[in-house]
Amino acid sequence: SQKIEQNSEALNIQEGKTATLTCNYTNYSPAYLQWYRQDPGRGPVFLLLIRENEKEKRKERLKVTFDTTLKQSLFHITASQPADSATYLCALDGLGGGYNKLIFGAGTRLAVHP
Amino acid sequence: NAGVTQTPKFQVLKTGQSMTLQCAQDMNHEYMSWYRQDPGMGLRLIHYSVGAGITDQGEVPNGYNVSRSTTEDFPLRLLSAAPSQTSVYFCASSHGQTLNTEAFFGQGTRLTVV
Repeated sequence: SQKIEQNSEALNIQEGKTATLTCNYTNYSPAYLQWYRQDPGRGPVFLLLIRENEKEKRKERLKVTFDTTLKQSLFHITASQPADSATYLCALDGLGGGYNKLIFGAGTRLAVHP
Repeated sequence: NAGVTQTPKFQVLKTGQSMTLQCAQDMNHEYMSWYRQDPGMGLRLIHYSVGAGITDQGEVPNGYNVSRSTTEDFPLRLLSAAPSQTSVYFCASSHGQTLNTEAFFGQGTRLTVV
């Protein structure tokens, strides 16, 4: 069956450390994968998109990798801050046909402690 | 520029009642979608539209209807609400260009069916 898995347990890290979140998928062949941030009571906010022919993408303190052989994406936040505390969602175009029809993982909650 | 606006923010319905969740975007985006988010699960695609007059089903379309008469608006209709439709609903829009598939989400509508 098709599924997207993210660490279901919360990730607790100390301020200043690097947070690494994992997204694994099975039985999909996505053209791209996206990462979103979601704060309680709010809608997801787009962070980064990485295409199948890209190995790595960076934006400020964020870095995403995409390994289509392992069917895995890693999301890194370097020099983490308490303001980075949120739930992070990975999403891919799993339904085919384009049109940004996204399939989401359940998300990983990140807590950055001072 | 308000982005994606959803109304209402909260709603309580009785089983069997009908209602329409409103979604409007002011970014002239071609693609619009409706997702539902349930605890412990990823966002799931209900219906989507690739332009005015064109709609199609997503992963979980049963019990919901949509229409798209204008580029800006994409309402979601529940014809006969059921407790299983208790969820948080998000509307999203994205530009219809392959290279720019970031999705913009509204703030969500929290629906409770009793």
